[in-house]
Amino acid sequence: DAGVIQSPRHEVTEMGQEVTLRCKPISGHDYLFWYRQTMMRGLELLIYFNNNVPIDDSGMPEDRFSAKMPNASFSTLKIQPSEPRDSAVYFCASSLGRVGQPQHFGDGTRLSIL
Amino acid sequence: AQTVTQSQPEMSVQEAETVTLSCTYDTSESNYYLFWYKQPPSRQMILVIRQEAYKQQNATENRFSVNFQKAAKSFSLKISDSQLGDTAMYFCAFREGGADGLTFGKGTHLIIQP
Repeated sequence: DAGVIQSPRHEVTEMGQEVTLRCKPISGHDYLFWYRQTMMRGLELLIYFNNNVPIDDSGMPEDRFSAKMPNASFSTLKIQPSEPRDSAVYFCASSLGRVGQPQHFGDGTRLSIL
Repeated sequence: AQTVTQSQPEMSVQEAETVTLSCTYDTSESNYYLFWYKQPPSRQMILVIRQEAYKQQNATENRFSVNFQKAAKSFSLKISDSQLGDTAMYFCAFREGGADGLTFGKGTHLIIQP
């Protein structure tokens, strides 16, 4: 079975540019999560969706960040405008149901803002 | 808010030895779930093992087992007969029963020496 698919795998862009990260969850999973991993702060939850509806976006660092899930098989995380401090690895994960089910992660997008 | 602490930033053992990675957490909840994830240099986040707080029996997956001490809020991972492929970052993660995002520890870098 296909796992969580993220694209692109690497992204290098200049500050001020818009960045869009994409995620396709595992088919049938009803929860989707976006995490950010940095050396300083480790892995942090940014936002998560249940049945395409955003449930908790308290981890989104600021208004420059936005996430959407237009359907059950696709989600985007957008940064506009991007800043060097946004450089990190961004992971998407999905899970089935809510009672302690494990989250399955994509391979992540390494984002570098110059 | 819950916190997860991994007190060993790095560990190194010889191949075939047994190694234990420590994890403690803080929560006021009684219903929660604990996970260990492995992150090799390829950057993937791979689920190693999970434990439901209401289960007293320690989880086991082949060479991987946990020592779950609920009263002490401790959740250590034991790797038996360690292999070179076990070299990776290991993250302890916590998930409340009523919430859905994972809270991660800072990780332990495990190095298996030949």
